[in-house]
Amino acid sequence: EIVLTQSPTTMAASPGEKVTLTCRASSSVSYMHWYQQRSGTSPKLWIYETSKLASGVPNRFSGSGSGTSYSLTINSMETEDAATYYCQQGSSYPPTFGSGTKLEIK
Amino acid sequence: EVQLVESGGGLVQPGRSLKLSCAASGFTFSNYYMAWVRQAPKKGLEWVATISTSGSRTYYPDSVKGRFTISRDNAKSSLYLQMNSLKSEDTATYYCARHGTTVVHYFDYWGQGVMVTVSS
Repeated sequence: EIVLTQSPTTMAASPGEKVTLTCRASSSVSYMHWYQQRSGTSPKLWIYETSKLASGVPNRFSGSGSGTSYSLTINSMETEDAATYYCQQGSSYPPTFGSGTKLEIK
Repeated sequence: EVQLVESGGGLVQPGRSLKLSCAASGFTFSNYYMAWVRQAPKKGLEWVATISTSGSRTYYPDSVKGRFTISRDNAKSSLYLQMNSLKSEDTATYYCARHGTTVVHYFDYWGQGVMVTVSS
């Protein structure tokens, strides 16, 4: 099973600040996918196949990476971006998720 | 608009069974792999099961293999999860999710979730 380690676990950012969340895989994966989950709601696909934005996702978000190291970047933090972000790999079964990064607004 | 609506959750005693359902609409259900993903209270996400388009292939993690069975009825655009021999660690919100593609496995639509509590 591929283990995904996300960092940081929790962070706070000010409006307008650039934010980078990271996800490291225990073995190489072909792609990384990211989900946003706001409090009390179900997860939403946010970035798929490493760098493709899901429908409706603002273009201040971007994704990058390869092999065992991936990241999600917010160019300029906005209040609506406060949420928990999970990475997920589907390159090999079982599909696994990271433990999440909780992003708060300062 | 893609919609996934789960039902069937509730409080159940350890060792008992429960069956979850998911009604899908807004897309051609029979064209997509489907899955169940769960989230224990205040915890992260855990994939629980996947089923192929025809239902001929199913996949499970070791944590539920032999206890849970995923199935589907394409005529009714419905997905099911039969959960047997339930344990306290199965307590979670269970989400029905659609696989984005059959080659690159991510989940592009999720239901609102249904809570399952396993407790005596």
